[in-house]
Amino acid sequence: GDSVTQMEGPVTLSEEAFLTINCTYTATGYPSLFWYVQYPGEGLQLLLKATKADDKGSNKGFEATYRKETTSFHLEKGSVQVSDSAVYFCALSRGTYKYIFGTGTRLKVLA
Amino acid sequence: DTGVSQNPRHKITKRGQNVTFRCDPISEHNRLYWYRQTLGQGPEFLTYFQNEAQLEKSRLLSDRFSAERPKGSFSTLEIQRTEQGDSAMYLCASSSETAEAFFGQGTRLTVV
Repeated sequence: GDSVTQMEGPVTLSEEAFLTINCTYTATGYPSLFWYVQYPGEGLQLLLKATKADDKGSNKGFEATYRKETTSFHLEKGSVQVSDSAVYFCALSRGTYKYIFGTGTRLKVLA
Repeated sequence: DTGVSQNPRHKITKRGQNVTFRCDPISEHNRLYWYRQTLGQGPEFLTYFQNEAQLEKSRLLSDRFSAERPKGSFSTLEIQRTEQGDSAMYLCASSSETAEAFFGQGTRLTVV
């Protein structure tokens, strides 16, 4: 069946460091791919998405590119801030928006 | 519209009791989802409604769980004879047919 694998956390970075959170997926066909973020005490919020191969999703300085050949959707940001501290979830979906989530990666950014 | 609303935010119950959670989706969304999230894990799909019809149920949804969405508006999730293993965050989400899902803040259930 479909699945999503994320790098384990926590990831601890200094402010202004470069961020990469790895995400790979297993699925037949062409699912849509998403990154959701969960700030402390809040619900899941959509960060970015990509619906077909080679699409790049971007938002708030975060980017991820849908790579069909490597079945990956890695999240990157060039310069993280303390306010980016949160748990990040990679997910896939097939049309009905029934998501399959990864286990989440906790990011902690130190001032 | 302030988004997906879930009530209560927290629920502590004794093992064996029944509990019911409510979800109010974004008003123009016809799709509604329930997920369960345990500590250190990503959300797991439980069930999905399109309008008032429950179209899919996960195998995670045992016979003790029932969800309804009367009139295609709000939804309730009931757990009967709660067990300690039911302790989790229960998330509701809604979407239109062409866009991504928006999640509520969840109901945290603790079974003691």
